[in-house]
Amino acid sequence: DIQMTQSPSAMSASVGDRVTITCRASQGISNYLAWFQQKPGKVPKRLIYAASSLMSGVPSRFSGSGSGTEFTLTISSLQPEDFATYYCLQHNSYPLTFGGGTKVGIK
Amino acid sequence: EVQLLESGGGLVQPGGSLRLSCAASGFIFSNYAMSWVRQAPGKGLEWVSTIGTGGVNTHYADSVKGRFTISRDNSKDTLYLQMNSLGAEDTAVYYCAKKGAITPRPGDFDFWGQGTLVTVSS
Repeated sequence: DIQMTQSPSAMSASVGDRVTITCRASQGISNYLAWFQQKPGKVPKRLIYAASSLMSGVPSRFSGSGSGTEFTLTISSLQPEDFATYYCLQHNSYPLTFGGGTKVGIK
Repeated sequence: EVQLLESGGGLVQPGGSLRLSCAASGFIFSNYAMSWVRQAPGKGLEWVSTIGTGGVNTHYADSVKGRFTISRDNSKDTLYLQMNSLGAEDTAVYYCAKKGAITPRPGDFDFWGQGTLVTVSS
C-alpha cells in the first residue's frame, strides 16, 4: 500500500500569508494526486487534480506542484475563507490513500 | 448540476447491518466509477470502496473487506453500500463520491454527497 505523509499536521497563519503544505508518497505515483479542502461540518471540496490542475471555480491563489513522490499545495495569499483542513489523495493504485490532513488555523 | 444524495445511515448495534444508498443526478451515472469515503468523528478521510461503471470491478479497503459490499444500479442511477458485521470502528460519516474522470485508472473524486452518519453503538 502507498502511504501518504502530509506535513505539517497543523499550522497557524495570518491573512495574506503564503502557505505551503507537503505530501510525500511512499513510492512513486506519477501525478495521480489530488488536494481537497474541508471546512468544519462541510463536505470535502476538490481543489487540485492531476497534481497541478486547478478545479474549475477554485481561486487562482491555490496551486499544486510535484510529481513522483513529493507534492506541494500552495496558497499564495491566505484569505479568511481558506482556514480549513486540507487533504491530499493518491489515486495511482488501490487502496486509495489520503494524507493525514493539515489544519490551517488563524494565528 | 451534479447531485449525490446519500441515505440509509443511522444507529445500529454492534454486529448489525446497514445498507446505504446514494442517488445520483446531473451526469451520466453509468459512465463513471463511484466510491464510498468515510470520516470518523474528528478524524481524517478514509477511502472505503470503489466500483467500476459496469458493477463488476470492485475494490475495498482492508478494513472493510469481507464485511462491506459495494454495488450499483445504473437503471436507477443509484450506488449502494451493504455493511455487515458492523463494529464501533465503523462509526463515521459516509460520503459517496463521483470519479473525476472517465479513465481506466483509479481516479480521484470531483463531487461528493453530503454524507450520511452511521453510528455503531449498543
